[in-house]
Order: sequence, then C-alpha cells, then structure tokens
Amino acid sequence: NAGVMQNPRHLVRRRGQEARLRCSPMKGHSHVYWYRQLPEEGLKFMVYLQKENIIDESGMPKERFSAEFPKEGPSILRIQQVVRGDSAAYFCASSDSPSGAEQYFGPGTRLTVT
Amino acid sequence: KQEVTQIPAALSVPEGENLVLNCSFTDSAIYNLQWFRQDPGKGLTSLLLIQSSQREQTSGRLNASLDKSSGRSTLYIAASQPGDSATYLCAASGGSYIPTFGRGTSLIVHP
Repeated sequence: NAGVMQNPRHLVRRRGQEARLRCSPMKGHSHVYWYRQLPEEGLKFMVYLQKENIIDESGMPKERFSAEFPKEGPSILRIQQVVRGDSAAYFCASSDSPSGAEQYFGPGTRLTVT
Repeated sequence: KQEVTQIPAALSVPEGENLVLNCSFTDSAIYNLQWFRQDPGKGLTSLLLIQSSQREQTSGRLNASLDKSSGRSTLYIAASQPGDSATYLCAASGGSYIPTFGRGTSLIVHP
C-alpha cells in the first residue's frame, strides 16, 4: 500500500512564475490536508479538502494560492506569481476520515523561489 | 485559538538515556493528539495517536500519555539510540479536526 505521494520533490521557480504542487493520498483516503513549513517555523495548516470540495481554507493566503481535489487525479496546490517569501516546504497529508483520524504525511515539496 | 508548545526546543543526550519530551496545549477540547518524527529534509512520520478518551499509547520504546485536564502530553523514549535523532512534533486536533502543531523538539542522541 503506497503512502502519500507528492511531486515534484523539489521545485525551483523565478519570481512571478506559477508553482503547481501535486499530492496523491493513500489508497482509500478521501481527505487531504496541505501544510506549509517555513524555515525556523512550525508546520502551519493551509487547507483541508475532500473529493471535489474545499472544507476549510482558513490557513490559505487570500491571494495567489488555490487548491483543488478533483474527482479523479491528485490534489493540486497552485501558487500564482510566486514571491521569495513563498519559499518553503509544502506537505500534504491524508486520512480516511476527519474525526479523530490519524494523518499520514507525504515527503513534501521544497519550493525555492529565485 | 489553540496554541501548542513543546519543551525543550532542543535536547542532546548520550545513548542509552530515557527521555521525556513535553507538549502542552491551551484548549483542552481536543479530539486527539498525535506525535510525529521528522528527519532533516524529510516528511513527517506518525509515531503515536492518542484519542481524547485514551490516557496513553505505546509502540516499542515509545510511550505517549495524554492529560486533557492539564493540557499536557508527554512522549517517553526508553533507552535512546543514535537513530532516534530527529525532530519530534506534537499536534492537537480540536473541533475543526485541523491539527495545530508545536514547533518541535530537536533531539540528538550521541554514541
């Protein structure tokens, strides 16, 4: 049973470009969470999605960031017009239910904005 | 708003010592508390999950306890080994099911 998969593992973008981060949850999991980890900071929640629905996006910056989890395919975190402050590790986690469920994390995508 | 604090921020010990890592949270209305391990440049590995109705969980040399009333959880590592060197994170999940993470305890176990 494959774990949570994220790609790419490393992504370099120039300021102003778009970054697309992909997350495939564990088999059987329909709940996906995205987190951001900045250097010297803790892991911060960004968005929680179920298939085709955004459940909670309270941690998502209001501009330039969007997320989706389509019926088919991976969840996508999209960052438009990246700035240097977007450089961070982005982690995705999945669970089989929201309530009291254990979250399983992917290896992360390390985004560097030059 | 839930806040999670981990003490100490860093710990360096010789191999073989028994360790206690502390995690405190401000809102006791949690559904669960989860302990993770993160190796440098890697993702998080789940170690133990304690539901709000439970007091502790054990896995091998690891034991985690939960005291909701005092807003505390501890992770006990027995007979530490160099391979235990990593950052340990705790996360408390409340009514929104969204976990709040502490900033972690960075552990180094030297031979």
